[in-house]
Amino acid sequence: DAKTTQPNSMESNEEEPVHLPCNHSTISGTDYIHWYRQLPSQGPEYVIHGLTSNVNNRMASLAIAEDRKSSTLILHRATLRDAAVYYCILRTFGYNKLIFGAGTRLAVHP
Amino acid sequence: DTGVSQDPRHKITKRGQNVTFRCDPISEHNRLYWYRQTLGQGPEFLTYFQNEAQLEKSRLLSDRFSAERPKGSFSTLEIQRTEQGDSAMYLCASTDIRVNTGELFFGEGSRLTVL
Repeated sequence: DAKTTQPNSMESNEEEPVHLPCNHSTISGTDYIHWYRQLPSQGPEYVIHGLTSNVNNRMASLAIAEDRKSSTLILHRATLRDAAVYYCILRTFGYNKLIFGAGTRLAVHP
Repeated sequence: DTGVSQDPRHKITKRGQNVTFRCDPISEHNRLYWYRQTLGQGPEFLTYFQNEAQLEKSRLLSDRFSAERPKGSFSTLEIQRTEQGDSAMYLCASTDIRVNTGELFFGEGSRLTVL
């Protein structure tokens, strides 16, 4: 399974943008980049995923480097509810098992 | 609520006892996963089912652990002769591989404490 590297923790202020980085230098051509987050005392929830192009949805944006060896999850305006652990995961096409790392713990300050 | 549901949410047991967790996936989801999560760590894959067939088991799943999905709907995870190291959150997730977005839908987990 291809590996990802994320900072252990990050901090943000409420209503400011947050950029969560992820390195995946061993990504293969068939690997999708998935982001999940886990709020306290809850199971992980899907945030966004992409293959090559940048992606936007109601929760966040995903910016993927041209060489695909890194990506950034962008929360445009952090809220207190966005305080969570964010996981960057590579998923091989056709294979649904997700291998989680330790993720990035995001703290959001009022 | 049409999400993944897990039962019980919390279980406290004494070492050596058996425990069973149940997972009801989202209706029509053909694939079901079990994960284990300890404090400060990301979820660790345990096993998954395609309908009723158990297709993969992690090395983490010792012979004291058994999982079933008898009719391709709900699933159970049983731990026999529990040990303190089994204390963790057990997470269930489901997906429909026909959609193939790769999105897993997780339940809120069953927290096990072994005394």
